Amino acid sequence: AQSVTQLGSHVSVSEGALVLLRCNYSSSVPPYLFWYVQYPNQGLQLLLKYTSAATLVKGINGFEAEFKKSETSFHLTKPSAHMSDAAEYFCAVSDRRTGFQKLVFGTGTRLLVSP
Amino acid sequence: ETGVTQTPRHLVMGMTNKKSLKCEQHLGHNAMYWYKQSAKKPLELMFVYNFKEQTENNSVPSRFSPECPNSSHLFLHLHTLQPEDSALYLCASSLSVTGGGAETQYFGPGTRLLVL
Repeated sequence: AQSVTQLGSHVSVSEGALVLLRCNYSSSVPPYLFWYVQYPNQGLQLLLKYTSAATLVKGINGFEAEFKKSETSFHLTKPSAHMSDAAEYFCAVSDRRTGFQKLVFGTGTRLLVSP
Repeated sequence: ETGVTQTPRHLVMGMTNKKSLKCEQHLGHNAMYWYKQSAKKPLELMFVYNFKEQTENNSVPSRFSPECPNSSHLFLHLHTLQPEDSALYLCASSLSVTGGGAETQYFGPGTRLLVL
């Protein structure tokens, strides 16, 4: 079964600093990969997804992620953090072999941004 | 209304009560999902419906009973719940379940459930 690991349940950065949220997947075949964000009292919103086109994927709000097959990783980055980026971020995978839409989520990383 | 809506947003119920959660999507999608989000645990997929037909029940206890009368509406009927069922229940939709796995799921804001 596919799985995804997010290292660090909490990440703290200062405003203007680089944001790096880590995600590693476990699968013999590279899956589809997603990053979702959840703001307080809201549902999840798609930031970006990798579907085997370009390995560097750009998303909303200045976020991007790079798919690295050799490292089985799909880390999320943003060059300069903003206070409004404070939220919980979820990495998810979907098995491309089955053809079915079924997401498996990581445990999430809460991003804290200080002034 | 746009996107995916859920009502109520908050619900407190006793273990002997019966209540229902409602989800409505205004995106023209054909697949709908129920997830459970508990603290410090990954989102758990509970049920999946595709064109009103249930395609997945992820070993969910029978005290949770889903209903999908059409592609736009999804209900979760609750009865004799346990305190450990307290969680955020999220509804999502996508164009189809069989779209190849790369589709985006659109989430509602969730219902925060507290079982006393």
